[in-house]
Amino acid sequence: GNSVTQMEGPVTLSEEAFLTINCTYTATGYPSLFWYVQYPGEGLQLLLKATKADDKGSNKGFEATYRKETTSFHLEKGSVQVSDSAVYFCALYNFNKFYFGSGTKLNVKP
Amino acid sequence: DAGVIQSPRHEVTEMGQEVTLRCKPISGHNSLFWYRQTMMRGLELLIYFNNNVPIDDSGMPEDRFSAKMPNASFSTLKIQPSEPRDSAVYFCASSLSQENQPQHFGDGTRLSIL
Repeated sequence: GNSVTQMEGPVTLSEEAFLTINCTYTATGYPSLFWYVQYPGEGLQLLLKATKADDKGSNKGFEATYRKETTSFHLEKGSVQVSDSAVYFCALYNFNKFYFGSGTKLNVKP
Repeated sequence: DAGVIQSPRHEVTEMGQEVTLRCKPISGHNSLFWYRQTMMRGLELLIYFNNNVPIDDSGMPEDRFSAKMPNASFSTLKIQPSEPRDSAVYFCASSLSQENQPQHFGDGTRLSIL
């Protein structure tokens, strides 16, 4: 079947620290992979995506590489800001359906 | 461009009452999704429509829940009768039904059933 597993949060970092949020997936065929971000009181917003193996998605300083050999799509950012505090969701799209992870809350302290 | 518009943003009502949540998808999008988000269960897909037709309603929890999409620009999610355990944030999302197209989410309806 299709599923997404994310590291449990919350993740607490100081400003300018390096961020990694792990995401692994199980899927048949060739899924596309996404990261969404949810700020308090808002809906999910697309952060970045990758549609095939070895693709790198990037946006606003965040990056994630589609690794088929390890079935992973880890989210990284070199230097986080307080404004990055939010909940991050990893998702896969396969056979016309989205599957979301449980979300990882990130707290960035000044 | 206007995004996905949901109403109301907040709803507080007593158990047993009928609740109707509304969604206007992005113009031109032909897939529409209803999700429920709670602390305990995370984000759950309730139902999705393609070209106004319900495709998968396996996530609808009970017969008390129903969803309609009478036209391409409007959908409703109804709960009748409502129960306290229905309290959650309900999101509507829309997308183009082509491969790899991302979903665009509304800001949600925060529902509290007393």
